[in-house]
Amino acid sequence: DQQVKQNSPSLSVQEGRISILNCDYTNSMFDYFLWYKKYPAEGPTFLISISSIKDKNEDGRFTVFLNKSAKHLSLHIVPSQPGDSAVYFCAAFIGGAGSYQLTFGKGTKLSVIP
Amino acid sequence: KAGVTQTPRYLIKTRGQQVTLSCSPISGHRSVSWYQQTPGQGLQFLFEYFSETQRNKGNFPGRFSGRQFSNSRSEMNVSTLELGDSALYLCASSWSISGGKRNEQFFGPGTRLTVL
Repeated sequence: DQQVKQNSPSLSVQEGRISILNCDYTNSMFDYFLWYKKYPAEGPTFLISISSIKDKNEDGRFTVFLNKSAKHLSLHIVPSQPGDSAVYFCAAFIGGAGSYQLTFGKGTKLSVIP
Repeated sequence: KAGVTQTPRYLIKTRGQQVTLSCSPISGHRSVSWYQQTPGQGLQFLFEYFSETQRNKGNFPGRFSGRQFSNSRSEMNVSTLELGDSALYLCASSWSISGGKRNEQFFGPGTRLTVL
């Protein structure tokens, strides 16, 4: 049973436009969410995160929105740039230092077209 | 500061064999986590080591094991390899335990394992 789902395997966006990447989760106990970006032949790099007590977190061109009632989060990139072309993973966290669960989605490949 | 390094970068094995992968964390980092990435299952958490002790474990069979040395370097071992073990194995290091929750987890480039 996939607890974190990224239903769009790929997304193409024109440079300068907004990119919206979506992520749904099933476990209401998740209390922290993260987005990672991954380029080919490199490991994922942290992008932005949000605690379940918030509904929005912004960092430059990147904004993450959390809708707890819908168990849905989204990553907005405005404006999109060709260098943003990568695979984006959302991840959900539950637990503490002694025992925790970190679950990733399968990723969405974003292509920003110049 | 050097990043997380993983060796080897590529590996080909046959079914039934065992394999050991190595991860050197960023200097000063004491936590090392391992992940498996496959096209079908995405990125899945294997386990986390902190101060030479396994602190957390994902839902993988006992064929997958690991250890951490006093210098925080970590190894992951997979015994009796199966075709389905073909994947990109990533390790990530962080200062403290549960690095995956905060933004302080740094990933290595991964080891691409192919099982024939």
